Amino acid sequence: AQSVTQPDIHITVSEGASLELRCNYSYGATPYLFWYVQSPGQGLQLLLKYFSGDTLVQGIKGFEAEFKRSQSSFNLRKPSVHWSDAAEYFCAVESFQKLVFGTGTRLLVSP
Amino acid sequence: NAGVTQTPKFRVLKTGQSMTLLCAQDMNHEYMYWYRQDPGMGLRLIHYSVGEGTTAKGEVPDGYNVSRLKKQNFLLGLESAAPSQTSVYFCASSHNPGRVGVEQYFGPGTRLTVT
Repeated sequence: AQSVTQPDIHITVSEGASLELRCNYSYGATPYLFWYVQSPGQGLQLLLKYFSGDTLVQGIKGFEAEFKRSQSSFNLRKPSVHWSDAAEYFCAVESFQKLVFGTGTRLLVSP
Repeated sequence: NAGVTQTPKFRVLKTGQSMTLLCAQDMNHEYMYWYRQDPGMGLRLIHYSVGEGTTAKGEVPDGYNVSRLKKQNFLLGLESAAPSQTSVYFCASSHNPGRVGVEQYFGPGTRLTVT
């Protein structure tokens, strides 16, 4: 069965520092991968997605992610974190037009 | 253009009571989904619909029923609420007949507590 693992439950980053959130997937064929962000008390918003082509994907709010088939990973990165990036981040893989989500990583931003 | 809306935003139920959560979307999307979000478990799919009049079970369907009588609405029902159904419920929709890699649009959520 398809699955997504986000190994970090919480991550704390200083404002202005770089960020990398890890995501590993289990999927037999070419995966369709997504990163969503959930701000406190809000629904989920799509940051970016990958389904073919260039393995480095650019998203909104200055985020990017790199698909690495050899490592079954789709890590999310941002070069300089802002306090407004504090939120929960979910990686997901599409399976038969349904999404399978990871358990999420909560990002805390320290001053 | 409101996107995906959910009613109510908060609700407290006693064990055994019933209720219906309403999801509405104004984007003319074919697909609609109900998820529940629990701490440390991410989002899990309860039921989904690929079009008006059709529904299907997701990962955790037990204790829930759904209906899609109108394309724009997707109702989630709890016939006899249990404390294990305390959760935050999210509705989502997407326009993807036969396509893959399509974004789902999420509502703001309904926080349900069952005592």
